[in-house]
Amino acid sequence: SQQGEEDPQALSIQEGENATMNCSYKTSINNLQWYRQNSGRGLVHLILIRSNEREKHSGRLRVTLDTSKKSSSLLITASRAADTASYFCATRNTGGFKTIFGAGTRLFVKA
Amino acid sequence: GAVVSQHPSWVICKSGTSVKIECRSLDFQATTMFWYRQFPKQSLMLMATSNEGSKATYEQGVEKDKFLINHASLTLSTLTVTSAHPEDSSFYICSARDRQYEAFFGQGTRLTVV
Repeated sequence: SQQGEEDPQALSIQEGENATMNCSYKTSINNLQWYRQNSGRGLVHLILIRSNEREKHSGRLRVTLDTSKKSSSLLITASRAADTASYFCATRNTGGFKTIFGAGTRLFVKA
Repeated sequence: GAVVSQHPSWVICKSGTSVKIECRSLDFQATTMFWYRQFPKQSLMLMATSNEGSKATYEQGVEKDKFLINHASLTLSTLTVTSAHPEDSSFYICSARDRQYEAFFGQGTRLTVV
C-alpha cells in the first residue's frame, strides 16, 4: 500500500518561480528518494537522501528531510517549462527492501 | 548507474488473451525485483515482490493467479497478465534491487486491452 502522502496534489507556477513539494511518510526509513515522471513515461531518479542526512542539493534541486516529522520537501528553483511533470517521493523502510511511492505532485510550469 | 531494461515498452492486446512483460537487469544481479502498476494520474502501486528461485510475494488485493510472476534467473523477471480485460490497462513498471539494496527502475510498459 502507498506509504507517502504528498502535497500539493497539483501545483501551477510561472517559469522562473520556485516550486516546493512536500512528502510525508509513516514509518522509519533508510532513505527517501525523489523521482520525476513525464506524462506516460518512465521514472527519472532525481535525488536520494539518507535517513542521517538533513539536506541535499543537486543543481536546481534542494531536498530536505526531517525524520522527526517524517517529512521531506523538494524545492526546484528557477523553474522551467521543461520541469512540467509529476514528482514522486519514495521511501524504503528501515530493515525493509520495498520502495513505496507517495501520491505524487503534478507540477505545471507555464512559459 | 545500474540499468534495468523492460520489454515491451507498449503492447495492445485483445480481451481474454495473456501478455508477458520482461524485466532484465543488464549489468548487475538482482535477487529481488518488484512490479508496480500505475493507473492514469495516480501513483505507482506495488503489486508484488519477485525473488529469484522462489514464489513471488503479492501485495494485498493483487490476484496472484491473474498476475503470474516468474523470476527464473538473477537477471530476469517476467510478469504475465492472464486473461486480460480492459480494466487491466495500465502502466506496469519493474524495478530491480542491487546488493546495496537500491532499486533501479525499468522504463515501463503501457498495456492497453481492447
